Amino acid sequence: AQSVTQLGSHVSVSEGALVLLRCNYSSSVPPYLFWYVQYPNQGLQLLLKYTTGATLVKGINGFEAEFKKSETSFHLTKPSAHMSDAAEYFCAVSESGNTPLVFGKGTRLSVIA
Amino acid sequence: KAGVTQTPRYLIKTRGQQVTLSCSPISGHRSVSWYQQTPGQGLQFLFEYFSETQRNKGNFPGRFSGRQFSNSRSEMNVSTLELGDSALYLCASSPDSSTDTQYFGPGTRLTVL
Repeated sequence: AQSVTQLGSHVSVSEGALVLLRCNYSSSVPPYLFWYVQYPNQGLQLLLKYTTGATLVKGINGFEAEFKKSETSFHLTKPSAHMSDAAEYFCAVSESGNTPLVFGKGTRLSVIA
Repeated sequence: KAGVTQTPRYLIKTRGQQVTLSCSPISGHRSVSWYQQTPGQGLQFLFEYFSETQRNKGNFPGRFSGRQFSNSRSEMNVSTLELGDSALYLCASSPDSSTDTQYFGPGTRLTVL
């Protein structure tokens, strides 16, 4: 069975600082991995996804993530945080894109001026 | 193209009542998935419909049901509402049955009193 663990339910960074949100997964088959962002009272917006190919994935708003099979990780990074990045971030996994998404519990990102 | 729309956006019901939520997918999308989001359990998969057939079902009681119409619009129904059914219900659509192209709607916020 698939599962996702997001380390840290709340991360706080200063504006301009590095953003690092951690995600570890388990999957018995090659995973499809996703990061979604949710702003208050809104649905989920896809930031980026890994399906196959290049392990470093670039997404919207300057975010990127690297798939590391040996570490079963898919951490999300952004070099410089902006106030508008404050939101909840969810990591999700699907088995080869053919099974429903399994989400982590989410990490709330706060950006301090 | 219009995005995924969900109606109503907010709903207040009392215990024991039933409720029907609606989701209109992006034009041309044939798959609709439903997720429940609560502070305690996070995001959990309810069910997925593809071309009017239920393809996958999550681990929810039979009080939760859904259907999809020939125009791909979907409804989910919850009967005999319980306090614990209070949640944000998210709908996602995709062109086919794979998860790597899902787009989420804004959700319906259900409050059960």
